[in-house]
Amino acid sequence: DVKVTQSSRYLVKRTGEKVFLECVQDMDHENMFWYRQDPGLGLRLIYFSYDVKMKEKGDIPEGYSVSREKKERFSLILESASTNQTSMYLCASSITGRLDYEQYFGPGTRLTVT
Amino acid sequence: AQKVTQAQTEISVVEKEDVTLDCVYETRDTTYYLFWYKQPPSGELVFLIRRNSFDEQNEISGRYSWNFQKSTSSFNFTITASQVVDSAVYFCALSPPAGRRALTFGSGTRLQVQP
Repeated sequence: DVKVTQSSRYLVKRTGEKVFLECVQDMDHENMFWYRQDPGLGLRLIYFSYDVKMKEKGDIPEGYSVSREKKERFSLILESASTNQTSMYLCASSITGRLDYEQYFGPGTRLTVT
Repeated sequence: AQKVTQAQTEISVVEKEDVTLDCVYETRDTTYYLFWYKQPPSGELVFLIRRNSFDEQNEISGRYSWNFQKSTSSFNFTITASQVVDSAVYFCALSPPAGRRALTFGSGTRLQVQP
């Protein structure tokens, strides 16, 4: 079974702090994704990566950066957390090259910025 | 541009009722896939089904069934004889267009099944 794990289920940080969210997948997937989920807005793509050290902006990259130094690990970084970044963050992974491969999701990290 | 619309924000039913969740999509691609995911209160999205654009046969899996109609760009999901364990947020998604790799998700429908 594919497993995608995220470093924390719940996180509380203060405004201005640097925040790292870690995601690890164990299926050797090329693609990894970070989404944020807010009520009524569904899942919005922040960044994705299609290979080690490769990344592309999604629909809402402002205020975020990412790092992919190893194939299995994809980190989301909030350089200076703000209250409007309070949200549920979901990581996902998938195989590349085929349209029919679903994305596998981690359990999510609920981040609160105070 | 791609878009997935789930017009029903929240649905509440009583156990054993049938319920249909609507999904309408827009794409310029001729080959594409549609997906449904379930997000229970625990938070993790669970894959339910995928369908390709050339296969319009309805699919049934236990109490779940899916109705794909290309003519109306819809991919609706029906739960028969709903149960409390079906309470979750359900997302419809569309495979990425050329040059992208991420699914396009709808905004989700929250289903509450009351005992």
